[in-house]
Amino acid sequence: EAGVAQSPRYKIIEKRQSVAFWCNPISGHATLYWYQQILGQGPKLLIQFQNNGVVDDSQLPKDRFSAERLKGVDSTLKIQPAKLEDSAVYLCASSFGGEQFFGPGTRLTVL
Amino acid sequence: AQSVTQPDIHITVSEGASLELRCNYSYGATPYLFWYVQSPGQGLQLLLKYFSGDTLVQGIKGFEAEFKRSQSSFNLRKPSVHWSDAAEYFCAVGDPGVTGGGNKLTFGTGTQLKVEL
Repeated sequence: EAGVAQSPRYKIIEKRQSVAFWCNPISGHATLYWYQQILGQGPKLLIQFQNNGVVDDSQLPKDRFSAERLKGVDSTLKIQPAKLEDSAVYLCASSFGGEQFFGPGTRLTVL
Repeated sequence: AQSVTQPDIHITVSEGASLELRCNYSYGATPYLFWYVQSPGQGLQLLLKYFSGDTLVQGIKGFEAEFKRSQSSFNLRKPSVHWSDAAEYFCAVGDPGVTGGGNKLTFGTGTQLKVEL
């Protein structure tokens, strides 16, 4: 069974630029999550989807972050414009039966 | 709001020695509890989980954890550590109040394990 796929694995951008991350969850998993993991911290939930609907986006900085899951399968997370403090690993996960399966993450460096 | 505390930021053990990583949580009801491991450049891998029932949970790679409601703890243990266990370990609390099998995870800040040969 294929795991959660994410791309790109690494991204370096200048502050104020835009960036997008892509996630393809495990087939059949209706719930998808995006987490932000800053160096030295645990992952923090940004947004949770159930199929193509948003369940929880209370910790998503909506002035610069957006996410979509149009067909209830893959998802994109966008940052526009990026700030230095957005440097982090962005993890995507999908869940089934209460267990979350994580992708390898995208490491973002904002210069 | 739920929260997780991992009091040890770094732990160093000798290969073959026993290991215990501490985790304390705050949650209004019986939580879902998880331990994940993260190796450098890798995503999070689930070691074990507790939803209900037997409070001693067995996981992969020889790890186990014990849920102690009276202490609000879910400590991770391994009787004999291998050099390959060096990684970062995260405890997480899940909120089961979400439809469709999902749950909202709150993670601790992690414990970095170093194994001396």
